[in-house]
Amino acid sequence: GQSLEQPSEVTAVEGAIVQINCTYQTSGFYGLSWYQQHDGGAPTFLSYNALDGLEETGRFSSFLSRSDSYGYLLLQELQMKDSASYFCAVDSNYQLIWGAGTKLIIKP
Amino acid sequence: NAGVTQTPKFQVLKTGQSMTLQCAQDMNHEYMSWYRQDPGMGLRLIHYSVGAGITDQGEVPNGYNVSRSTTEDFPLRLLSAAPSQTSVYFCASSYSGQGMQFFGPGTRLTVL
Repeated sequence: GQSLEQPSEVTAVEGAIVQINCTYQTSGFYGLSWYQQHDGGAPTFLSYNALDGLEETGRFSSFLSRSDSYGYLLLQELQMKDSASYFCAVDSNYQLIWGAGTKLIIKP
Repeated sequence: NAGVTQTPKFQVLKTGQSMTLQCAQDMNHEYMSWYRQDPGMGLRLIHYSVGAGITDQGEVPNGYNVSRSTTEDFPLRLLSAAPSQTSVYFCASSYSGQGMQFFGPGTRLTVL
C-alpha cells in the first residue's frame, strides 16, 4: 500500500523554529512536496524536493532523504500567520499521494 | 490571470441527484486534477488529466466522471450523489503534473 506519516499536531512559540517530519511508503516516487493550508482555505505550494538535500525558500526549508524515505519541513522565525495545517505529498507518476496533515499551533 | 477557478463555492444536493462541479484555469497548464478533502484528512485524488482528451483515475474515482475537451476546463460530474460524497472538492493544475500545483478555492458539497 501507499502511506505517508506525519505528526497530527505540533505546538511552537512565536519566533522559534519548528520541524515537521514526513515518512513515506509509496509504489513510485518522483518527489516530495509540502503544502500549507489555512482553515477554510485551499492548499498553497511551499516546496518540492526531487533530489536528496536541503531546499531553502526564505523562512522555510525542506529536506529529503530518498534512501530513508524521509523528509521534513523546517519553519524558522515563526509568525502567528504560520498557524495552519502542513501537508507532505509524494509525487507518484502523475498522482499526488497526501499525508493527513500536521496542525501547527503557534503560541505568543 | 484568474488562476484556477471553481464553481459553485457551496452546494447542497439530495441523495440521487446529479451535478457538475466546474473547474477552469487560464495558465495553459496541461495537467489538471480533482481532489476531495474530508475533515481532518489529507487530499485524495479522484481523477486527473495530462492533457486535452486524456483522463485517468486516481485513488477514489467511484461515483465520479470527468472529461477534458479543452486545455482550460476540467469538469467533475457526480452521477448519483450519496451522503458519503459530502466533502470539500478542490481542482488543481500544473505545468507537468510534478512539483508545484495550483489549487482553486474549493467547492463545499453537502449531500443530504
